[in-house]
This record gives sequence, C-alpha cells and structure tokens, in this order.
Amino acid sequence: EIVMTQSPATLSVSPGERVTLSCRASQSVSSDLAWYQQKPGQVPRLLIYSASTRATGIPARFSGSGSGTEFTLTISSLQSEDFAVYYCQQYDNWPRTFGQGTKVEIK
Amino acid sequence: EVQLVQSGAEVKKPGESLKISCKASGYRFTAYWIGWVRQMPGKGLEWMGIIYPGDSDTRYSPSFQGQVTISVDTSISTAYLQWSSLKASDIAIYYCALEYSSSSGVFDYWGRGTLITVSS
Repeated sequence: EIVMTQSPATLSVSPGERVTLSCRASQSVSSDLAWYQQKPGQVPRLLIYSASTRATGIPARFSGSGSGTEFTLTISSLQSEDFAVYYCQQYDNWPRTFGQGTKVEIK
Repeated sequence: EVQLVQSGAEVKKPGESLKISCKASGYRFTAYWIGWVRQMPGKGLEWMGIIYPGDSDTRYSPSFQGQVTISVDTSISTAYLQWSSLKASDIAIYYCALEYSSSSGVFDYWGRGTLITVSS
C-alpha cells in the first residue's frame, strides 16, 4: 500500500498570503495525484487531479504541481473561504490512499 | 445532474449488523466506479473500497477487507456498504463517492455522508 504523507499538519496563514502544501508518496505514483478540500461539517470537494488539472469550477488561485513522489498544492492568495483541511490522494495503485491532511487555519 | 443520496444516520449496538445505501441518479449507473470513504470523528479521510456496478468488480483496502462488504443493486442504481457485526471503532461518517468525469481513480461526486454511531 502506498503511504501518502502531507506536511505540515497545520498551517497558520493570513488572508491574502500565498500557501504551499506538500504531499509525498512512499513510491512513485506518476501524476495520478488528486487534491481535495474539506471545510468543517462539509463534504470533501475535488480541487485538482492528474497532479495539476483543476476540477470543474475550481478558481485559478489553486494550482498543483509535481510528479513521481513529490507534489505541491499552491493557493496563490488565500481567501477567507479557503480555510479548510486539504487532502492528497494517489490513484496510481490499488488501494487508493489519502494523506492525513493539512489544516489551513487563520493566523 | 449527478446525485448521490445516502441513507440516514444510524444508531446501533455492538455486534449488530448494518447496511447503508447510496442511491445514484443522473448518469448511467453501471458505467462508473462508486466507492466508500470513512471519516472517524475529528480524523482524516480513509479510502475503504470501490465497486464497478457493470460487473461488480470490487476492490478493498486491506484495512477494510473482511470487515465490510460493498455491493450494488443495479435495478435501483444503489450501492451498499454493510457490516455483519459492528464495533465501537466503526463510529464514523461514511461517504459514498463517484469516479465520474475527471479521471479514473478520482472522486468528483460525493454523497452527504451517513453517520454511524455504535453504542451499548
């Protein structure tokens, strides 16, 4: 099973700042990497798939990069509605696996 | 419009059995993988398993293999997650989710979740 490790666990950020979240895979997952956002009490929402492709309706301030074992989600200018937990997920191998999440909180 | 409507919250006793459902609409049910994700209280997302309704091909995470059963009823476009004997450690929200349009392996539609409480 591929282990996905996200860092940091928590990020304290001010609105308007640029945010970079990391996700590392225990073995190569090629570009088969997705990012999800989950706000408190809400259902997870797909942000990014294929490491760098934004899902339908996702604002351009969200971008993804990386391949192999190292991936990054960047939020160019954090908005108030972006405070949430972000999860990466690999889908290169069975079983699919999620990272443990990074919480982006208000500084 | 694609929709996944999950059954309501359940309160069960340890050792009881349970089957929760996820009714799909707005697309051809047999053509797309539908899966289940667990979220324990205050914790992250865990990929449990997935089924292809077209031929009932099912894949489980080793963590959940033998603990739950995933199935479908194609006649009513519904997926199921079931337990034969619940434990207190099964307390969680369970989401069904669909691999539809973005990429195979990616959940781009989610149900609203079913909260399972297990208490004696």
